Amino acid sequence: DAKTTQPTSMDCAEGRAANLPCNHSTISGNEYVYWYRQIHSQGPQYIIHGLKNNETNEMASLIITEDRKSSTLILPHATLRDTAVYYCIVRGGLLDTGTASKLTFGTGTRLQVTL
Amino acid sequence: GAVVSQHPSRVICKSGTSVKIECRSLDFQATTMFWYRQFPKQSLMLMATSNEGSKATYEQGVEKDKFLINHASLTLSTLTVTSAHPEDSSFYICSAEGTAGGGYTFGSGTRLTVV
Repeated sequence: DAKTTQPTSMDCAEGRAANLPCNHSTISGNEYVYWYRQIHSQGPQYIIHGLKNNETNEMASLIITEDRKSSTLILPHATLRDTAVYYCIVRGGLLDTGTASKLTFGTGTRLQVTL
Repeated sequence: GAVVSQHPSRVICKSGTSVKIECRSLDFQATTMFWYRQFPKQSLMLMATSNEGSKATYEQGVEKDKFLINHASLTLSTLTVTSAHPEDSSFYICSAEGTAGGGYTFGSGTRLTVV
């Protein structure tokens, strides 16, 4: 799976949009971009994923550049509860054996939402 | 949505004893489950991939005789840390493929402390 690069940390004021960037310049055509977050001492939580089109759900929006070499996760109105480590992961689809491919976590971005 | 239940959430054991961690998919069948370990202030490291009815696949550097994985049914996978030592103290997390479009669902994690 392709590697990703994220800033180590970011700050965001509560109520503002948090824009978290991710570079994945070696992504291949069948690989998806996934975003997860991990609040302290909990298991990671799925946020959103996409292949090439922009995606939006109740939690966030995912903007993927046309060349797919980078993406941005947008939390439209950050709250204190959004303080967490955010992981951008590139993952392929099912393996030829039909089994699920694994997720490889990088170091992520530590987002601190402040008052 | 898909839920993965992981127990216990915390366990303290004496050095030399064994500890079993359970991971159950509550509302879906998980052919494949993944086991991760996370040390303080570090990212999640994949330990092994557990496939129902077959032997687990371990990542390089993970001792298969020390970390026993059993995936006997489509809803239950267990990780047993055998002859635990203080250096095995860590946060252990399982995950499984959830319903379509939801990516992987993670358990809430198990904080193991070996004294």
